[in-house]
Amino acid sequence: GENVEQHPSTLSVQEGDSAVIKCTYSDSASNYFPWYKQELGKGPQLIIDIRSNVGEKKDQRIAVTLNKTAKHFSLHITETQPEDSAVYFCARGTSGTYKYIFGTGTRLKVLA
Amino acid sequence: DTGVSQDPRHKITKRGQNVTFRCDPISEHNRLYWYRQTLGQGPEFLTYFQNEAQLEKSRLLSDRFSAERPKGSFSTLEIQRTEQGDSAMYLCASGPRNPKGSGYEQYFGPGTRLTVT
Repeated sequence: GENVEQHPSTLSVQEGDSAVIKCTYSDSASNYFPWYKQELGKGPQLIIDIRSNVGEKKDQRIAVTLNKTAKHFSLHITETQPEDSAVYFCARGTSGTYKYIFGTGTRLKVLA
Repeated sequence: DTGVSQDPRHKITKRGQNVTFRCDPISEHNRLYWYRQTLGQGPEFLTYFQNEAQLEKSRLLSDRFSAERPKGSFSTLEIQRTEQGDSAMYLCASGPRNPKGSGYEQYFGPGTRLTVT
């Protein structure tokens, strides 16, 4: 199918703890996987991405892992801070079409 | 601010009226996308331009919807005879001509929130 499944739909963590969001897809042609953060009233902001020839990518407190065989990828946020509270979306893209198929989002709440 | 800009940010219209939204992409980005986002959902692809050519349209884009990018810079999205089901956030995104990496990056604007009464 075309859809991307994203879990959990909501996630509450204590400040300083880690948060993990997982996405699965079925289209084996997918080769690009971005993650977006969306705050209330704003457009999605690209925070990290990974291409299919890479298994893991890290940028400071944020990391993404990709398992092409199992067709799933995950966002890891360490040392969470209250300003990390937002809705996070995963997406998949395929060369040639360039359009993204988005997951349904995860509302992350970091409790101070 | 050199990001993607959209105008207006909010639009309230009565059912049956026509509305037009504008998107100004990041300078020199040749790829431009329109998405629609309803409450609690992820953005859904509507259409894609490379320069001035409209290369793909979603089945979501009924014949009441039309998008243009006449000079390969800004784009407009028009909805004719609006319906209550058209109420949503309409997002525009752009991607670079000579991208880093694989070239799939898309940068989103703040969106136009449409309310049809």
